[in-house]
Amino acid sequence: KAGVTQTPRYLIKTRGQQVTLSCSPISGHRSVSWYQQTPGQGLQFLFEYFSETQRNKGNFPGRFSGRQFSNSRSEMNVSTLELGDSALYLCASSEGQGGNSPLHFGNGTRLTVT
Amino acid sequence: GESVGLHLPTLSVQEGDNSIINCAYSNSASDYFIWYKQESGKGPQFIIDIRSNMDKRQGQRVTVLLNKTVKHLSLQIAATQPGDSAVYFCAENLSGNTPLVFGKGTRLSVIA
Repeated sequence: KAGVTQTPRYLIKTRGQQVTLSCSPISGHRSVSWYQQTPGQGLQFLFEYFSETQRNKGNFPGRFSGRQFSNSRSEMNVSTLELGDSALYLCASSEGQGGNSPLHFGNGTRLTVT
Repeated sequence: GESVGLHLPTLSVQEGDNSIINCAYSNSASDYFIWYKQESGKGPQFIIDIRSNMDKRQGQRVTVLLNKTVKHLSLQIAATQPGDSAVYFCAENLSGNTPLVFGKGTRLSVIA
């Protein structure tokens, strides 16, 4: 099976802009989770979608949002970008919901905000 | 704050030696744990998992040990190879359908 695919791999944006990141899960996986990775904070949970519904949400401001489509593909959006949003954004899929089964990660989207 | 952490941020081992990477967790109700390996430029890669009803699980060259008494998790890598050089994360599931919580990571460097 193909792994989790994230596009684009790299993005450079300016403060105040908005960005949309895309994720295609492993075929058959219905759960998609998003994490933000930074050197200082490590991997921080953003949100999880299962069957097009947000099931869990991390402690991030409302500027961070996401959605999941009927084919399980997911997007996340960050509006009004700030310098601190520069990070590696990781998408992961799993067969089950929540943290009771392994997450399989993509290689991430590296976002740089200038 | 995070309930999952690692004792050492870096670990250097000689090629061929065994590596032991440690992780502490604070929530005694946690029932599922995973180890991940992250190489430069890549996302975390699943290595092995263990549920709280077990205290040991073995994979190919890797063993995970769970000590629920002291809330400690470790990953043992046998005959460490240069390709094992990476950052290793432990992750914890606190309860039910909550998301995995990750530790900060340990960077393993293998000396040839």
